[in-house]
Order: sequence, then structure tokens, then C-alpha cells
Amino acid sequence: DGGITQSPKYLFRKEGQNVTLSCEQNLNHDAMYWYRQDPGQGLRLIYYSQIVNDFQKGDIAEGYSVSREKKESFPLTVTSAQKNPTAFYLCASSIGWTGRGELFFGEGSRLTVL
Amino acid sequence: AQTVTQSQPEMSVQEAETVTLSCTYDTSESDYYLFWYKQPPSRQMILVIRQEAYKQQNATENRFSVNFQKAAKSFSLKISDSQLGDAAMYFCAYRGGSQGNLIFGKGTKLSVKP
Repeated sequence: DGGITQSPKYLFRKEGQNVTLSCEQNLNHDAMYWYRQDPGQGLRLIYYSQIVNDFQKGDIAEGYSVSREKKESFPLTVTSAQKNPTAFYLCASSIGWTGRGELFFGEGSRLTVL
Repeated sequence: AQTVTQSQPEMSVQEAETVTLSCTYDTSESDYYLFWYKQPPSRQMILVIRQEAYKQQNATENRFSVNFQKAAKSFSLKISDSQLGDAAMYFCAYRGGSQGNLIFGKGTKLSVKP
């Protein structure tokens, strides 16, 4: 079945450590996204990629980095510069950057900083 | 900048009854799309319904329908014959015609009483 796979589901990190969240899709979608979800905040855009080898900062990119070397993969690194990284992270993809198509989401990754 | 507002943090409905979730948005664009997503306790975001701004007819998907008032910039979701499985967070989202990412409201938590 086609879909988006995020791993790990749960991740614990000590302060000062970088961690990388994986996102893989087999939908052949061009565009991919990372959102952060906090209680009562809705979803906020961290980074997005319209096409392979290209990505742009979203609304809350500080302390995060991404890469898009393959069409199907869009990993997110949470760096030690992110002041409050404990959150739920959602990866999504869409057929293209524009149009009526919806975003498809993975099951998310819960990051907790100890 | 576009914004999406959901004014009801929590709602409750009796099983088999009807409930309406409110959403308003602000935009200066004429071409855009609106979505309702459901996030059950499993945390995976699921598309419920989509509305294109250029369509006057309200979208319907089985028990789910919308009331799209373009001039008022209102996009409410009506759930008929509510079921226990409808209990979830519901997010209203906006997508501009020339952009890919979704802008989300803060969500409404819907409880369904048996």
C-alpha cells in the first residue's frame, strides 16, 4: 500500500543532542512537508520541499534542518539550537506544489527532550 | 497573511445527533482550497472533506457536509448521525491556489456521547 512512513514513533533525546526524524513516501509525490504540533497550537510548518534537491523554510524553521536528496525521502534534523523541541512531528506529502490535491500525512513522531 | 480560526476548542454531541463545527478564514486571494481534517487518538491526520473556492455548491461526503460562505469567509463542517468513531480533533485548513502548504486552525476536539 502506498503511504508515508515516519520513524521512529517515539524518540527521547538529552539536551544538546541532535536527532533525525525519518520520513519516507512511496506515493511518487513531488512535494513534502514537515509540521510541528503542540497542544492547543494546531500544526505549524517547519520546512517544505516542492521538488527533489530543493527545500524552503516554513514559519518555524529555527533550530531545524532538512535535506531532499531523493524524491521519496525528506528527513528532519532537530538540532541543539531548537530551544523547545518536545513536540509531535508530522510529515506530509502532496502530488504537486499547487492544485486541489490534499496533503497526505504520516503517523507522526513524538520527540521528548529529557 | 492568511489565517484560519476555529472558535470552538471543544464540542460535544450525542450519538446519532448532528453537530456543526465552525471555521473562519482570512485571505485576499480569489483562488484557494479549504479542507477539514480529522485526527483521531492514533494521531494520523485523515482528510474528511475538501472545498474548492470557485465552486458554489457545498461539498458532501456521506455524513459530512460543509456550509461554505465565501463572502463571509466561513467554512463550517456538519456531521450528521454522529457515531462514536467520529470522536477526534478536527482541523480546518486553507491552501492558496499558488502554494502547497496548508495553514491550519487550532482545532476543535469533538466528543461523542453514547
